[in-house]
Amino acid sequence: NAGVTQTPKFRILKIGQSMTLQCTQDMNHNYMYWYRQDPGMGLKLIYYSVGAGITDKGEVPNGYNVSRTTTEDFPLRLELAAPSQTSVYFCASSRSSGRTVKGSPLHFGNGTRLTVT
Amino acid sequence: AQTVTQSQPEMSVQEAETVTLSCTYDTSENNYYLFWYKQPPSRQMILVIRQEAYKQQNATENRFSVNFQKAAKSFSLKISDSQLGDTAMYFCAFMRVNRDDKIIFGKGTRLHILP
Repeated sequence: NAGVTQTPKFRILKIGQSMTLQCTQDMNHNYMYWYRQDPGMGLKLIYYSVGAGITDKGEVPNGYNVSRTTTEDFPLRLELAAPSQTSVYFCASSRSSGRTVKGSPLHFGNGTRLTVT
Repeated sequence: AQTVTQSQPEMSVQEAETVTLSCTYDTSENNYYLFWYKQPPSRQMILVIRQEAYKQQNATENRFSVNFQKAAKSFSLKISDSQLGDTAMYFCAFMRVNRDDKIIFGKGTRLHILP
């Protein structure tokens, strides 16, 4: 079982460059999330998706874009990288909303460490 | 807006001791879920335990248990007989039961188990 797979594991970008962080899950989960983890700041929600074709902003969406064309994939796009986007990025998925599958926990990928210089 | 507060940035305990990590949250919701996640140095996020707000009984999972006080909006994690492998960051998380389910995390507590 692969679970949630994120690529790449590490990346260094120069200011102004663009890149896409890939995330795919093979558990047929309809909910997917992108978080960033800054030192001492816990996890902040960037974007999330409740199903293919549906995305919504989280707490810190500025500077990012997402798409959800399939159930499996939820890529995160950085258009103009800035030093403030240096962080560890986690993709996660869950089976359903809390209403229908009670409190389904998140399944996390192993993270992508991004440095913008 | 929901918030999750972990007031202990860092803790250290001796192996085999019991340790309690605190978590408080703020919400106007009546139905929600609470989680504790563990993040070891490998960076992987691992679910430790889950509590459903409508259940008064505290959740337990082997050496891990919670003290859920709904009125006080408190959700502490107790680790009994602590082991070296318990060394990790621990995050408390809140999930509301709504059409816009989001999971909000606290800032984490770094726990060191000393030999």
